[in-house]
Amino acid sequence: DARVTQTPRHKVTEMGQEVTMRCQPILGHNTVFWYRQTMMQGLELLAYFRNRAPLDDSGMPKDRFSAEMPDATLATLKIQPSEPRDSAVYFCASGLVRADLAKNIQYFGAGTRLSVL
Amino acid sequence: SQQGEEDPQALSIQEGENATMNCSYKTSINNLQWYRQNSGRGLVHLILIRSNEREKHSGRLRVTLDTSKKSSSLLITASRAADTASYFCATAPIWGNNRLAFGKGNQVVVIP
Repeated sequence: DARVTQTPRHKVTEMGQEVTMRCQPILGHNTVFWYRQTMMQGLELLAYFRNRAPLDDSGMPKDRFSAEMPDATLATLKIQPSEPRDSAVYFCASGLVRADLAKNIQYFGAGTRLSVL
Repeated sequence: SQQGEEDPQALSIQEGENATMNCSYKTSINNLQWYRQNSGRGLVHLILIRSNEREKHSGRLRVTLDTSKKSSSLLITASRAADTASYFCATAPIWGNNRLAFGKGNQVVVIP
């Protein structure tokens, strides 16, 4: 049963520390998305990749966030330095983009719950 | 950017009843999708309806789309306690960049 895997599931850290979240997309998927979910803002798109190339990271605070795809099986989201306002659940999702746009379904991981103290 | 918005925001019903929730959006779309999120979990895709479709069924789910009103509805028939979750609509833009714009979600509680 193919699924998106995110690690860690939970992370508690102190303000100023670096946080790295990892995502293994479903094998064969060519798009990867990073979202942040909070009660106040809902689900926000931070960045997304197609064929490992970043297409849009306009939703991400550039001074402290960075997203990469070192290879097709790994996507990372880093926060350095972390701040209390970064506390949220971070989701990774992957999908298979075809010429037919009507099948752009996204498959979500279970998320990383981040608490910055 | 376009964004789906669900209405009502929270719904509490008895098991066996039907649950209906609505979603409105602002711009032209290629398709609209509904996702479910159980507490502490990621979103799970439920159903996709294309802009040229008006109604679609999948099991106990029925989705309608009215592009003239820029709105969609999700009906869950004969609800079960396991249907307790948040439900999100997401719109795909007509010009493809494969992004989805998610609404803020609709909390549904099914009381056994």
